[in-house]
Amino acid sequence: DAGVTQSPTHLIKTRGQHVTLRCSPISGHKSVSWYQQVLGQGPQFIFQYYEKEERGRGNFPDRFSARQFPNYSSELNVNALLLGDSALYLCASSLGQTGNSPLHFGNGTRLTVT
Amino acid sequence: DAKTTQPTSMDCAEGRAANLPCNHSTISGNEYVYWYRQIHSQGPQYIIHGLKNNETNEMASLIITEDRKSSTLILPHATLRDTAVYYCIAGGRYGQNFVFGPGTRLSVLP
Repeated sequence: DAGVTQSPTHLIKTRGQHVTLRCSPISGHKSVSWYQQVLGQGPQFIFQYYEKEERGRGNFPDRFSARQFPNYSSELNVNALLLGDSALYLCASSLGQTGNSPLHFGNGTRLTVT
Repeated sequence: DAKTTQPTSMDCAEGRAANLPCNHSTISGNEYVYWYRQIHSQGPQYIIHGLKNNETNEMASLIITEDRKSSTLILPHATLRDTAVYYCIAGGRYGQNFVFGPGTRLSVLP
């Protein structure tokens, strides 16, 4: 079975632009979470979606938004990009929301803002 | 959400067991202990998780103390490919309660 797939793998944007990152979960997984990882730190939680509804949001500004589609794939949107948004953006999927359902991560989208 | 404490770095000789400790003294009764690892430029890889019983799979063993305040991840025969950052997470529901710390950088030495 295919794992979590993310696109694109790399992206270069200019300050002020917006970006859309895409994620396809493992087949059968209904929950998608997004994380931001800056160099040298652990991933930081941005959003969780389960059954197409937002179930959690981390400490990120309103420039960050996301949605989940009927097929459980997801998009992360970031508006008005800042240099500090440069990071690895990770998507993870899981069967459900319960604690006994591991997150499985994709290999991320590397975003560089110049 | 429970916070975890891990050593910043550890070394292990190739072929020997790697024992990675984690403290999670504020873990609540319904929170699981998860372990992930991350090799440079890749996404975190799920290793193992448990609630209160010890667990073993093809990758590793997880030993959780009886009071559940700490745990140890055991890689029985470390190889050079096990060099990575290892994250211990104590969480119940996902999202904002699934918190990654800085992890332990394990170096497996030849």
